[in-house]
Amino acid sequence: DQQVKQNSPSLSVQEGRISILNCDYTNSMFDYFLWYKKYPAEGPTFLISISSIKDKNEDGRFTVFLNKSAKHLSLHIVPSQPGDSAVYFCAASVADSNYQLIWGAGTKLIIKP
Amino acid sequence: DVKVTQSSRYLVKRTGEKVFLECVQDMDHENMFWYRQDPGLGLRLIYFSYDVKMKEKGDIPEGYSVSREKKERFSLILESASTNQTSMYLCASTITMDRFNSPLHFGNGTRLTVT
Repeated sequence: DQQVKQNSPSLSVQEGRISILNCDYTNSMFDYFLWYKKYPAEGPTFLISISSIKDKNEDGRFTVFLNKSAKHLSLHIVPSQPGDSAVYFCAASVADSNYQLIWGAGTKLIIKP
Repeated sequence: DVKVTQSSRYLVKRTGEKVFLECVQDMDHENMFWYRQDPGLGLRLIYFSYDVKMKEKGDIPEGYSVSREKKERFSLILESASTNQTSMYLCASTITMDRFNSPLHFGNGTRLTVT
C-alpha cells in the first residue's frame, strides 16, 4: 500500500504557463515533505521542502503548498521553462524515522515550447 | 559541489551471480544510502549506513547486503542475483541525519539487468 501517491504519471504544460504537480499521502504522522527533480541519466536533486507546521513554502519560481486536512501537497512552477522538463518525485518522512523517506512514483513534466 | 559516484552506469549479470555495486562520495558525508527505483513504485530504501561499519535495514533489504569499510565508500552486494532484482540502483549521501537541513545527494544510478 503506497503511503505517498502521485496519481499523474505525466503532465504536459506550455512554456510560460503554470505547472502544478500533485501528491497525496495517507500517513497522518508525516511531518516533513520534499520534492526532488530528476533528469534522464542523472540522480534526483533536491528542489524544495515543507514542514507540516507550514502551509506554504516558496523558492523563486517554485512553491509548495500543503493541505494537511486533505493530506495533499502540490508543487507550483511559475512560469514553466523548458529546463523544468524532468521527473518530479514527492517524498515524506516521519519524525525520528532515521531519515527514512517514503517516495511517490514520480510525475514526468514536459514543457512544450 | 558534492559528488556521489557510482562505478557502473549499466551492468548485465546472470541469475545466481554475486554482484557488487560501488558508490563513493567525496564530501566526508556521515550517512550513505542505497535505493532502488522501479517504474510505478518510486524509490525504495534498501539499506543505509550512518557510520563506518554501521548499517541499518531499509524497507526492502531481502536479497541484499552492504559493506562500509571506509567512510567514503558504500557497497551494495547481491549475494545471488535474481531477475526480480533487475532495476535502477541509486546511491545517496547526506552530511547529517538532520532531515530539515541535509538533503540527499544522489549518484547517477546503475541500471542492473539480471538475465
